[in-house]
Order: sequence, then structure tokens, then C-alpha cells
Amino acid sequence: DIVMTQSPDSLAVSLGERATINCKSSQSVLYRSNNQNYLGWYQQKPGQPPKLLIYWASTRESGVPDRFSGSGSGTDFTLTISSLQAEDVAVYYCQQYYAPPLTFGGGTRVEIK
Amino acid sequence: EVQLVEIGGGLIQPGGSLRLSCAASGFIVSSNYMNWVRQAPGKGLEWVSIIYSGGATYYADSVKGRFTISRDNSKNMLYLQMNSLRDEDTAVYYCARGNYIDVWGKGTTVTVSS
Repeated sequence: DIVMTQSPDSLAVSLGERATINCKSSQSVLYRSNNQNYLGWYQQKPGQPPKLLIYWASTRESGVPDRFSGSGSGTDFTLTISSLQAEDVAVYYCQQYYAPPLTFGGGTRVEIK
Repeated sequence: EVQLVEIGGGLIQPGGSLRLSCAASGFIVSSNYMNWVRQAPGKGLEWVSIIYSGGATYYADSVKGRFTISRDNSKNMLYLQMNSLRDEDTAVYYCARGNYIDVWGKGTTVTVSS
């Protein structure tokens, strides 16, 4: 099974500042035949289901603000919020869909400093 | 509108069985990868099971042999049959579409307790 490890567990960032979340997979999630990384990022606010932010490691879902960006390849990935807004307070998860069992990272809680 | 609505959660005793249903609208369940994902109180997301459009199914080790995912193409419904329930199966269960999950239901709560 592919284990997804996120860091940090939580971070506090001032409004307007950058937030960076890391995600590492125990094996590569890059599928060579199509050169795609099978990695997604989700945002979950209290009492709500998760919301897809990024798929294929760097493709922003429709309607997601462009302050959210994803990067990385192979086993190391990053979600960046370029200018933190109050509405970005949430828990963020990475997920690999390279092979079942699909697996999520443990989550990173983002708060306002 | 694309939507998923879960039905069937509740309080069940350890060792009991429960079937969750998920009603889909705005798209065809059988043409998509469909999942169940759960979240225990105060914990992170845990993927439970997937059924591919071709019919293949996969499970998390924690539920293998106890849970069964299925679908009814005529009703456009997804199901999760849960047997031999344990305390640790207590969670909000989400029905969800895709390998990267672009549509989520609001979830249904399953509480396993005596």
C-alpha cells in the first residue's frame, strides 16, 4: 500500500502570507505512460465534506482561486496558498489515486496567526 | 445538478449489519469510479472502497471481508453493505465520485455502540 505522509500537522500563517503544505508518498505516483502524477489535494472545513482543490498534482479544479497551487512529481508534492485569506482556514489532505487502496495523508490544519 | 445523497446511517450494536445507500443525480453511476470514504470523529479521511466502471472492486484492509460495495445501474444507486461492525467503524461515511474525488455527498453518520 502507498503511504502518504503530510507535514506539518498544523501551521499558523498571517493573513496575506504564504502557506506551504508538504506531502510525501512511500512510492512514486507518477505513471510513466502518460507522465501524470496521480495526486490530489482537498480542503475540508468543519462540518463539511472535503472539496477537491487540485488533481494531477498541479491542475486546479474549476472555481478554485488561483492563490492555490500544486507542485511536485514522483514522491514529493507541495500545496501552496500564496496569500492566505480568512476563508482558507481548514484542514488540507493529499490523496494518491495511483493504485488501490487509495490513500489519504493525515491532514494539515491551517490557522490564522 | 450533480449530487450525491447518502442514506441509511444510524446506531448499531457491535457485530451488527447495516447497508448504506447513495442516490446519484446528474450523472451515471455505472460510468464512473465510485467510492466510500469515512471519517471517524475528530480524525482524518479514510478511504474505504471503490467500484470501477468496469465493475472491479477494492477495499481498505480494515474492512476487507466485512464490507461489500455494489451498485444498481437501473436505480443509479451505490451501496455499502457493512457486516460484523466494530466500534472502530464509527464514522461519517461519504459517497464520492472519481479516482480524484470531484463530487462528495454530505455524509451519513454510523455509530457502532452497545
